[in-house]
Amino acid sequence: DSGVTQTPKHLITATGQRVTLRCSPRSGDLSVYWYQQSLDQGLQFLIQYYNGEERAKGNILERFSAQQFPDLHSELNLSSLELGDSALYFCASSSGQTFGNTIYFGEGSWLTVV
Amino acid sequence: AQSVTQLGSHVSVSEGALVLLRCNYSSSVPPYLFWYVQYPNQGLQLLLKYTSAATLVKGINGFEAEFKKSETSFHLTKPSAHMSDAAEYFCAVSDTSGTYKYIFGTGTRLKVLA
Repeated sequence: DSGVTQTPKHLITATGQRVTLRCSPRSGDLSVYWYQQSLDQGLQFLIQYYNGEERAKGNILERFSAQQFPDLHSELNLSSLELGDSALYFCASSSGQTFGNTIYFGEGSWLTVV
Repeated sequence: AQSVTQLGSHVSVSEGALVLLRCNYSSSVPPYLFWYVQYPNQGLQLLLKYTSAATLVKGINGFEAEFKKSETSFHLTKPSAHMSDAAEYFCAVSDTSGTYKYIFGTGTRLKVLA
């Protein structure tokens, strides 16, 4: 158990819909990362937050947004969903205060768009 | 920009044989390097990490990796493969340019043959 909690574990939704994925980081970790894992694109970095502020942005679509709340949990919002958005979405956390910190992954949220 | 390249998307070894998974990195500054393992339907779990303290890094489950600056490599090895080692392995580098991103390779799926 990494200490990173993601909900829901599985989600099936229709094209055009909007979903929210939730992540609780490990106790004490200030930094949250979101990754998308799909068969054809591998593990893609989406976005990172540190103590409520966006710190780094990767290959995140404009239809996707995220935020980190004062209690440090984070949400990834996916809207106008397309079939190609079907993937495993990971949240990870770290203390985020120095380079080279280990990041710890949650078990992921499986999103299926039908 | 920093990056990692994993050679071989699929590797098969016999039980008891040497495991060698290859990772080459690109970085203009001393990197922080990681190996993660992903078992089916699970999140990524840290195997080991290099932070410049020692070039030979020992990790969990009998794995180790050697940092070779001259070859820009960080290959993962295990002397004797077990059936339980079958999983996907990811090499990653910590971006030290200020963004705190972690860049992952495309992964190598290890199959262990009885």
